[in-house]
Amino acid sequence: DIQMTQSPSSLSASVGDRVTITCQASPDISNHLNWYQHKPGKAPKLLIYDASNLGTGVPSRFSGSGSGTDFTFTITSLQPEDIGTYYCQQSDNLPFTFGPGTKVDLK
Amino acid sequence: EVHLLESGGGLVQPGGSLRLSCTASGFTFTIYAMNWVRQAPGKGLEWVTGISGSGGVTLYADSVKGRFTISRDNSKNTLSLQMNSLRADDTAVYYCAKGSLSVYGGNTYWGQGTLVTVSS
Repeated sequence: DIQMTQSPSSLSASVGDRVTITCQASPDISNHLNWYQHKPGKAPKLLIYDASNLGTGVPSRFSGSGSGTDFTFTITSLQPEDIGTYYCQQSDNLPFTFGPGTKVDLK
Repeated sequence: EVHLLESGGGLVQPGGSLRLSCTASGFTFTIYAMNWVRQAPGKGLEWVTGISGSGGVTLYADSVKGRFTISRDNSKNTLSLQMNSLRADDTAVYYCAKGSLSVYGGNTYWGQGTLVTVSS
């Protein structure tokens, strides 16, 4: 199975801060990497697909980059509604594994 | 607007069976892959199974292979998950998710989830 790691596992940031989450895949998954936001009791939401493409209706403060084994997810200016857990997921090979998640909250 | 509504969750004893359903609306159901993803209490997301738009291709995680069966009825815009030989570690919220045009791709929309509890 493709192994997915994320860091950090959690972070606290202030409104307006730049937030960066990294995701590593082993082995290479090309650009077949997606990022999701999940809030408790809500449906997960696709933010980024194929490593760098913004999902439908997703604000431009969210972005993704990377290919191969190393990927980065960025929120350029954290907003209160961005609080939640963020997951990367590879869609390159079965099973479609998720990273362990990064919990983001307000400082 | 895309809408996915799961149903069928509940409490079941170990070794028992349960059938989940997902009713889809707001998109051309027949051309999109669909997936089930679950989240056990206090844990992260886990992909469980997926099916192509035509239903001709089905994919399973090793943890459920041989016990779970995914299917779809494109005439009724409905996705199903038959779960047999349930175990305690199958306890989770199960989400129905709209995939891409290929079975390999991200999940663009998700339902609110339905809770399955396996316990005696």
